[in-house]
Amino acid sequence: SQQGEEDPQALSIQEGENATMNCSYKTSINNLQWYRQNSGRGLVHLILIRSNEREKHSGRLRVTLDTSKKSSSLLITASRAADTASYFCATDGRGANNLFFGTGTRLTVIP
Amino acid sequence: EAGVAQSPRYKIIEKRQSVAFWCNPISGHATLYWYQQILGQGPKLLIQFQNNGVVDDSQLPKDRFSAERLKGVDSTLKIQPAKLEDSAVYLCASSLFRQAGDTQYFGPGTRLTVL
Repeated sequence: SQQGEEDPQALSIQEGENATMNCSYKTSINNLQWYRQNSGRGLVHLILIRSNEREKHSGRLRVTLDTSKKSSSLLITASRAADTASYFCATDGRGANNLFFGTGTRLTVIP
Repeated sequence: EAGVAQSPRYKIIEKRQSVAFWCNPISGHATLYWYQQILGQGPKLLIQFQNNGVVDDSQLPKDRFSAERLKGVDSTLKIQPAKLEDSAVYLCASSLFRQAGDTQYFGPGTRLTVL
């Protein structure tokens, strides 16, 4: 299976702290994406990093990708209570846009 | 722009009954996806359409699941007959194209409970 795994499964931090989530995957990829899912809502795309990129920033988000280790990390800086959600990494198979999602990290930001 | 619409939002049925879910993608999006998300897991792709043609249904349990996108716009996913293990959230997504990296936009999902 291409499905990735996130680590940790759950993370609880205080507002203002940074949150780091990791993702490992199994096969070669074109891109790796991170999605957020709030309780009772659909998935929202956060950021995409291509296989030839090592780091990417978007606002308070920083994503790294290490294709040699087949791993990625998502850093959320200066967390807010509104960041409370589940975060999923998703990889795509070469030449297609079929996404394979990881198991997710449940982030709780305590006000 | 309007997002991906799905209905119903919730459905409760008994095992062996049939159920259908409807999805209306973002206007102009050629590619439509159906995902199944079991509680505590990430979404799993069931089927991908390009316009009204199926491009990948390798993970669709074809003995009980079917999907169509007759006019290349709306789509329907059907389960007949339902099993207890089909309890999940069914997510529909669409993207402008189907190249790797095209952003997929997700609907709110339909939560199915099979009793």
